[in-house]
Amino acid sequence: NAGVTQTPKFQVLKTGQSMTLQCAQDMNHNSMYWYRQDPGMGLRLIYYSASEGTTDKGEVPNGYNVSRLNKREFSLRLESAAPSQTSVYFCASMGGDRGLMSKLFFGSGTQLSVL
Amino acid sequence: QKEVEQDPGPLSVPEGAIVSLNCTYSNSAFQYFMWYRQYSRKGPELLMYTYSSGNKEDGRFTAQVDKSSKYISLFIRDSQPSDSATYLCAMTSGGQNFVFGPGTRLSVLP
Repeated sequence: NAGVTQTPKFQVLKTGQSMTLQCAQDMNHNSMYWYRQDPGMGLRLIYYSASEGTTDKGEVPNGYNVSRLNKREFSLRLESAAPSQTSVYFCASMGGDRGLMSKLFFGSGTQLSVL
Repeated sequence: QKEVEQDPGPLSVPEGAIVSLNCTYSNSAFQYFMWYRQYSRKGPELLMYTYSSGNKEDGRFTAQVDKSSKYISLFIRDSQPSDSATYLCAMTSGGQNFVFGPGTRLSVLP
């Protein structure tokens, strides 16, 4: 029962480098999300995907792109990393019937440092 | 004013104490309220889930929602060192937008 799986767990980048964070869920959920978590700021939504083939911007989308590869997988790409993107990144999926049982299930996170 | 306010703590209590964690919010459209527990270097895990106003109990945990005051609470009875974690409140009107509080860090001392 893996749930939501994220890779990698840790990453150090230099300013200007690019990378892709991978996320997969095995719960057959339609909706998937990418959040970042910074001290004192809580979880902030970067992008989400309500269903396969659709993506939408969240609260802090600048500097990021996403791809909903299929129902299971939702990746987050940093094209040109900046120190302001140093954060912990969480992928999540939503289970239950929308409007009745909206529950988010999270992966274990990726600790990203941009030097 | 932030949409969801939560005292960041840290909060330290002795083992066995009753813990009260709280959040206030401003958006009256929120209908679904959640508490997540997050251990250090781990992802948040869903602890309690309530719909609209009222109480919900699960073991040592009780979630309370007062929509008229826009105030939610999580009570932990007989707190244990294993309860030491950051507790995040979250809420949604039922769509894709979940709003989180910044979290309260709790330490339960043996």
